[in-house]
Amino acid sequence: AQTVTQSQPEMSVQEAETVTLSCTYDTSESDYYLFWYKQPPSRQMILVIRQEAYKQQNATENRFSVNFQKAAKSFSLKISDSQLGDAAMYFCAYRRGRDDKIIFGKGTRLHILP
Amino acid sequence: GAGVSQSPSNKVTEKGKDVELRCDPISGHTALYWYRQSLGQGLEFLIYFQGNSAPDKSGLPSDRFSAERTGGSVSTLTIQRTQQEDSAVYLCASSPGGADLEQYFGPGTRLTVT
Repeated sequence: AQTVTQSQPEMSVQEAETVTLSCTYDTSESDYYLFWYKQPPSRQMILVIRQEAYKQQNATENRFSVNFQKAAKSFSLKISDSQLGDAAMYFCAYRRGRDDKIIFGKGTRLHILP
Repeated sequence: GAGVSQSPSNKVTEKGKDVELRCDPISGHTALYWYRQSLGQGLEFLIYFQGNSAPDKSGLPSDRFSAERTGGSVSTLTIQRTQQEDSAVYLCASSPGGADLEQYFGPGTRLTVT
């Protein structure tokens, strides 16, 4: 069965600094999708960034980028120039196919220190 | 356009009572998903609908849980004889399928069983 592991329950970073959130996953599939979701206190799940496993190039969305290491089954999220609004729970997630359930990690709570 | 909506936003019920949670997906979205988020945990998949049929019910934790979808739109998650361990946030997501990979999440229903 596929699993997603986030080993950092909480992290803190100074405003304007860079932080990296770790994620590893386990799958026997060769084609799949990986995501990072943000969940602020409002509970609304917001898609931050996604990566298709067949793409070698790491995805980037403004201040957010990933380091996708397929062989190592690692998918970390880097947040540059951290802002107070980045404070939230961040979930790493895996999806096998286009119309398939998402498997989530347990999350990393990110604190931004002013 | 309107996003995924869920009702009620919060529900408090007594142990042993039945509850119904409602999800209104984005218009035209063919796929609909239910997830459960227990306190401090990641999201746990419950059930997936494609149209009105449910090809994947593997996440329903017991036969007290059931869900239906009518008209390819609204979905209802029913929990019978609620237990305290059912207390959680229940999140619904919809997806248009096809080339759009994203699942769009609603704000969730917080269920508290006393």
